[in-house]
Amino acid sequence: DSGVTQTPKHLITATGQRVTLRCSPRSGDLSVYWYQQSLDQGLQFLIQYYNGEERAKGNILERFSAQQFPDLHSELNLSSLELGDSALYFCASSPLDSSYEQYFGPGTRLTVT
Amino acid sequence: AQTVTQSQPEMSVQEAETVTLSCTYDTSENNYYLFWYKQPPSRQMILVIRQEAYKQQNATENRFSVNFQKAAKSFSLKISDSQLGDTAMYFCAFQLIQGAQKLVFGQGTRLTINP
Repeated sequence: DSGVTQTPKHLITATGQRVTLRCSPRSGDLSVYWYQQSLDQGLQFLIQYYNGEERAKGNILERFSAQQFPDLHSELNLSSLELGDSALYFCASSPLDSSYEQYFGPGTRLTVT
Repeated sequence: AQTVTQSQPEMSVQEAETVTLSCTYDTSENNYYLFWYKQPPSRQMILVIRQEAYKQQNATENRFSVNFQKAAKSFSLKISDSQLGDTAMYFCAFQLIQGAQKLVFGQGTRLTINP
């Protein structure tokens, strides 16, 4: 158990819908990262937050957005969902705003039908 | 931009054998970390081992060790005395020390340990 929690574990929704994925980092960790794992794209970095502020953006679609709240939990919002958004979404956390080991949550499996 | 390549999509060995997974990367930076992550069927991403690029000594963690060749930009993982529980996808990952701390992953190697 990495100490990072993600909810829900599984999510099944229809195209065009909007969903919110939630992540609670390890106690004391200020940085949160979101990654997408899909069959065709592999594991890709989406976005990083540090202590409530956006730090880095990767291959995140405009239909996707994220935020980190004062209690340090983070949410990833996916809207106008398409079949290709079906993937495993991971949240990872690390203590600092610098390179450090990232500890991954169990992931949220999103299926868009 | 950094890239990570794992040239072995699948590998299979017998229990108790030693297996080596390959990874090469491309970067113009000098200071970075390299990681191996394990993803068992449960899908959890588990950190196996970390190597700092500024360290010449290869990292080891129990049965897991790396062969880090900085000039060749090569970072292989050796698993000794392999166990059934080592069956998993293994991902090589790169992270800059300065700047963006995102992990850049290879495509993964599916390792099967046979009884």
